[in-house]
Amino acid sequence: GENVEQHPSTLSVQEGDSAVIKCTYSDSASNYFPWYKQELGKGPQLIIDIRSNVGEKKDQRIAVTLNKTAKHFSLHITETQPEDSAVYFCAASMGTGRRALTFGSGTRLQVQP
Amino acid sequence: GAGVSQSPSNKVTEKGKDVELRCDPISGHTALYWYRQSLGQGLEFLIYFQGNSAPDKSGLPSDRFSAERTGGSVSTLTIQRTQQEDSAVYLCASGLGEGKQYFGPGTRLTVT
Repeated sequence: GENVEQHPSTLSVQEGDSAVIKCTYSDSASNYFPWYKQELGKGPQLIIDIRSNVGEKKDQRIAVTLNKTAKHFSLHITETQPEDSAVYFCAASMGTGRRALTFGSGTRLQVQP
Repeated sequence: GAGVSQSPSNKVTEKGKDVELRCDPISGHTALYWYRQSLGQGLEFLIYFQGNSAPDKSGLPSDRFSAERTGGSVSTLTIQRTQQEDSAVYLCASGLGEGKQYFGPGTRLTVT
């Protein structure tokens, strides 16, 4: 089955700096890659996603890049703010067939004011 | 519009008792998923419902776990003879089956 590895497990940046979180996946059949933000005591919130026919997607301060050949994808947050502090999870799934998500182990991002 | 709702938000039960957790998906969503998140861990897939198709139960950890989805809407996850290792946050998500999944706030289950 699919295996998703995520790093780093913790990341501390100064407000205004950029943050990058990286994930690798094992199943070449995976074609959908979402990122979730989870705040303490809440469910994961979908913040951005990318499908395998696209190499990069951007939404304001957040961007995701995908390298299908290398089977890795990354989340980039620019101009970080204290409210970006949370745990971020990457995930992968096949758009057809088994559509359940396989999640990475999470990255705790702390933005220092 | 209304998001995914789950009840109860917290449940404390004694070892050996049965528990039922409820999920109300977003109206119109045909796909419904259950995941489990142990303390400080990632999310582990449990079961997936899509329309009238047979559910994908491949993630259920033992036969003590079961789930139903009635009328293509509300779902109930049942854990029989609960064990301490069942303590976790149980998360429900819904979607249209094309990939995007929207999560509820979860039910925190504590087995004493």
